Amino acid sequence: QKEVEQNSGPLSVPEGAIASLNCTYSDRVSQSFFWYRQYSGKSPELIMSIYSNGDKEDGRFTAQLNKASQYVSLLIRDSQPSDSATYLCAFKSYIPTFGRGTSLIVHP
Amino acid sequence: KAGVTQTPRYLIKTRGQQVTLSCSPISGHRSVSWYQQTPGQGLQFLFEYFSETQRNKGNFPGRFSGRQFSNSRSEMNVSTLELGDSALYLCASSRDSWDTEAFFGQGTRLTVV
Repeated sequence: QKEVEQNSGPLSVPEGAIASLNCTYSDRVSQSFFWYRQYSGKSPELIMSIYSNGDKEDGRFTAQLNKASQYVSLLIRDSQPSDSATYLCAFKSYIPTFGRGTSLIVHP
Repeated sequence: KAGVTQTPRYLIKTRGQQVTLSCSPISGHRSVSWYQQTPGQGLQFLFEYFSETQRNKGNFPGRFSGRQFSNSRSEMNVSTLELGDSALYLCASSRDSWDTEAFFGQGTRLTVV
């Protein structure tokens, strides 16, 4: 059974700080990794995809992938209250597998 | 560019009935995958369709089935509904395969009473 582990949180950070969200996965052959943001009562929204080891930056978001350690993270710089949501990491090997999500709270 | 459209948004059904949910993908996307989301189990993969063929299937009973039409629209059917089927059902569309980035619809909230 392929699994994704995320700390459920909540992770609380002050406005303007860097939020760091982490995810570990069990499938060594996974090639595709994704971060989704889900607001309460809404559907998941794709934030980032990452396929290669290293960092990928998109605006205030940076995804980091380390396949050897089976670890993927998401950094949110200059966190805003509007970033408060649940962040889901996911990977695709045979089937898509999602973590249970980390709740992020950005307080003013 | 229109997003992924799911209908209906809300449904209330009685135990033992069946239900059909619909998903229209983003124009040009050929892959549609379906998910069940519950507070207890999180987001779980049901199945993926590509070019009218089921490509992958998650660990759900045979009561859950789906199909895809030539225009890439997809339907999901659940027969003999159980109380535990109450959930948010989401579909996601992607250009070729789920790992080329998938975009979710707003979901159908199914309540079984």
